[in-house]
Amino acid sequence: DAEITQSPRHKITETGRQVTLACHQTWNHNNMFWYRQDLGHGLRLIHYSYGVQDTNKGEVSDGYSVSRSNTEDLPLTLESAASSQTSVYFCASSPNKLSSYNEQFFGPGTRLTVL
Amino acid sequence: AQTVTQSQPEMSVQEAETVTLSCTYDTSESNYYLFWYKQPPSRQMILVIRQEAYKQQNATENRFSVNFQKAAKSFSLKISDSQLGDTAMYFCAFMKHGVHDMRFGAGTRLTVKP
Repeated sequence: DAEITQSPRHKITETGRQVTLACHQTWNHNNMFWYRQDLGHGLRLIHYSYGVQDTNKGEVSDGYSVSRSNTEDLPLTLESAASSQTSVYFCASSPNKLSSYNEQFFGPGTRLTVL
Repeated sequence: AQTVTQSQPEMSVQEAETVTLSCTYDTSESNYYLFWYKQPPSRQMILVIRQEAYKQQNATENRFSVNFQKAAKSFSLKISDSQLGDTAMYFCAFMKHGVHDMRFGAGTRLTVKP
């Protein structure tokens, strides 16, 4: 069955280290998204991509970067991890159909702790 | 920018009873979509129900229904015959037509009591 996976599921790192969170989907969806979830804020959009070589900044993009070299993967990189980036990170994907809307399908999340 | 507000951080309901979760949003757009997502303790985000703004009829999915008031920019979720498995965080979300990213509210934690 097609799915969307994230790895690792849990990560503990130290301030200043570079961290990369992986997201892989097998639906062949054009659109992929990264959100962070924090208490009191719901999910906030970090970066998104509408296709290979396309990336866009979201609401809370500072300190994060993404690259899209193929359809299946959108890795999220924290260049220099900060304690404020301790959060749960969700990846999502959606098709680019001509229908009225495109449902987003979410991965299981990655809990990141920055000490 | 669009904002989504869920004014009830926590709610509880007795099993088999009905509960309504509130959501308001702010937008100048006329064509958009609204969603309710459920997040159980497993953390998986599950789409519960969606509503297209151009449709006047309120969406219904089994025990879940919405009250969509476009002029008031209100989008509440009603859960009938609440079940223990409905215990979860519920997020309201907004998507402008023609784009693919969503704006989420802060969430309402619902507890269904036996």
